[in-house]
Amino acid sequence: RKEVEQDPGPFNVPEGATVAFNCTYSNSASQSFFWYRQDCRKEPKLLMSVYSSGNEDGRFTAQLNRASQYISLLIRDSKLSDSATYLCVVNEDDYKLSFGAGTTVTVRA
Amino acid sequence: GAVVSQHPSRVICKSGTSVKIECRSLDFQATTMFWYRQFPKQSLMLMATSNEGSKATYEQGVEKDKFLINHASLTLSTLTVTSAHPEDSSFYICSARDPRVLNYGYTFGSGTRLTVV
Repeated sequence: RKEVEQDPGPFNVPEGATVAFNCTYSNSASQSFFWYRQDCRKEPKLLMSVYSSGNEDGRFTAQLNRASQYISLLIRDSKLSDSATYLCVVNEDDYKLSFGAGTTVTVRA
Repeated sequence: GAVVSQHPSRVICKSGTSVKIECRSLDFQATTMFWYRQFPKQSLMLMATSNEGSKATYEQGVEKDKFLINHASLTLSTLTVTSAHPEDSSFYICSARDPRVLNYGYTFGSGTRLTVV
């Protein structure tokens, strides 16, 4: 079983739509959670950390559900520039990061 | 924010040759850096953890004699792919975390796309 699993998508949505997707993790002792964005053939860039109480950054909302061991990302009012692959990243211990394979989002005009 | 610089961004080499990739933390000291590999449409896979002043820690299945890691200073780690073969063609990315910033996440280098012909 993979440590971090994501729906690969793709999620094809029109501009202005809301899109949401989840990520599940297997290690209940995982400590920190992040969403990264990766554009084609580029390095991942931190989108936001995910806190226990849930957090919002502009049009992006992240939630953590420890009981069910999943995190979610919701994007409101999608922009064309939101088209990317979103990586779920889990910090299992002091240093080890586990990555999901990514969820591809394509926003169309 | 923390900046990690990685070079080269792209390299094409002949089978059997060695390639060195550099990863530098520009505005912070990183006692630990990480090397990942990403094949097309797959997630990043941790190859090894680079520790300043000591031996690197390799993940299961990663050949330490093939992927040589040197972390000679607090701002520089290098990954050398020795005797490269076409199956080593991949996207190699390093990362580090700024110890001054808690729970901020990791900063990645811009990656090196290696093509072995």
